Amino acid sequence: KNEVEQSPQNLTAQEGEFITINCSYSVGISALHWLQQHPGGGIVSLFMLSSGKKKHGRLIATINIQEKHSSLHITASHPRDSAVYICAVSQGGSEKLVFGKGTKLTVNP
Amino acid sequence: NAGVTQTPKFRVLKTGQSMTLLCAQDMNHEYMYWYRQDPGMGLRLIHYSVGEGTTAKGEVPDGYNVSRLKKQNFLLGLESAAPSQTSVYFCASSIDPRRSYEQYFGPGTRLTVT
Repeated sequence: KNEVEQSPQNLTAQEGEFITINCSYSVGISALHWLQQHPGGGIVSLFMLSSGKKKHGRLIATINIQEKHSSLHITASHPRDSAVYICAVSQGGSEKLVFGKGTKLTVNP
Repeated sequence: NAGVTQTPKFRVLKTGQSMTLLCAQDMNHEYMYWYRQDPGMGLRLIHYSVGEGTTAKGEVPDGYNVSRLKKQNFLLGLESAAPSQTSVYFCASSIDPRRSYEQYFGPGTRLTVT
């Protein structure tokens, strides 16, 4: 069983829809990361959080430490949001990240 | 700041050939990482370095070697390429996990081994 599980694997939405991507983990963590990868592109860090909620523009990330679960929300989705979204966790005392397999989001106009 | 850069962006090798991928960062980061990304799998750590002159094995180190002779550079070598090493390779760097766990990624190198 992977230590970091994402759902869904693939997600197709219409422009303007509210999007939720989920991430569950089975280990103790120091921080959880949400990353974005556009087709053929590099990987960009969106959020790093260890509690509560963070917001940047139309993107919101939440984490529930007790339930070992995080969600990434996109409000008013746009075709340019089409990308793979990757969840990763840092474990306390470790310099390494553990990655989920990613969620491929396609937003149609 | 260029951030994290990788050279080359694309490469095609024949089985048995060797090559070196170069990663450079201009953020004075202590930690550097090499990952590979394959379809249907998460990013997997190949090797990493916690400072100049140090290297350590990650999750999938076999068939690869690394060197960190200068703080800003992290080299990944394939001595005898195999088709199983066809992948997209990403380099990343970070300050120090005791200060920040955030990693900064390069643009990737797409390697095909025929």
